[in-house]
Amino acid sequence: QKEVEQNSGPLSVPEGAIASLNCTYSDRGSQSFFWYRQYSGKSPELIMSIYSNGDKEDGRFTAQLNKASQYVSLLIRDSQPSDSATYLCAVGFSGGYNKLIFGAGTRLAVHP
Amino acid sequence: GAVVSQHPSRVICKSGTSVKIECRSLDFQATTMFWYRQFPKKSLMLMATSNEGSKATYEQGVEKDKFLINHASLTLSTLTVTSAHPEDSSFYICSAWTNTDTQYFGPGTRLTVL
Repeated sequence: QKEVEQNSGPLSVPEGAIASLNCTYSDRGSQSFFWYRQYSGKSPELIMSIYSNGDKEDGRFTAQLNKASQYVSLLIRDSQPSDSATYLCAVGFSGGYNKLIFGAGTRLAVHP
Repeated sequence: GAVVSQHPSRVICKSGTSVKIECRSLDFQATTMFWYRQFPKKSLMLMATSNEGSKATYEQGVEKDKFLINHASLTLSTLTVTSAHPEDSSFYICSAWTNTDTQYFGPGTRLTVL
């Protein structure tokens, strides 16, 4: 059973702080990793994708991947109240077919 | 950017009826689309992989006779929930991959079965 684990939260951070979201996965063969943001009642929207070990930055977002530890994280700098949402970690299934396995999501609350 | 649409966005139906949900890729062709279901405060669960011109591939535990999938063209996949029951009430979301290895989700369809 391929699994993706996330802390459900809520993770509460003050406005302007760094929010750190973590994800571990069980499928050692996975090669693609994604972070999605989902607002209540809406479908997920892609924030970041990462395929290689190390960091990948895009604006206020930085994704970090460590395949040896089977760990992927998302940092949000200068957190804003509008960042309050559920963040879903998704891992590409190594069996192919472009299937993604999703974690249960971490709810982030940024308070003014 | 790539857009995936779904119709309807909301549907309420009586128990025992069938409901069809459409998923369209608006500015790209998708040979494969995915159907997910999400219950409140839960993550997305993949139901099936929709393949253009061939049979869908269902995940374990998903009844293929209950959730009929048709992928008749490169831009349209449909999910029909047959003989719907209250426990089928959920948020149904489709997705498609572009040729840039990015998966986009449709806006979702909220199904309520009375």
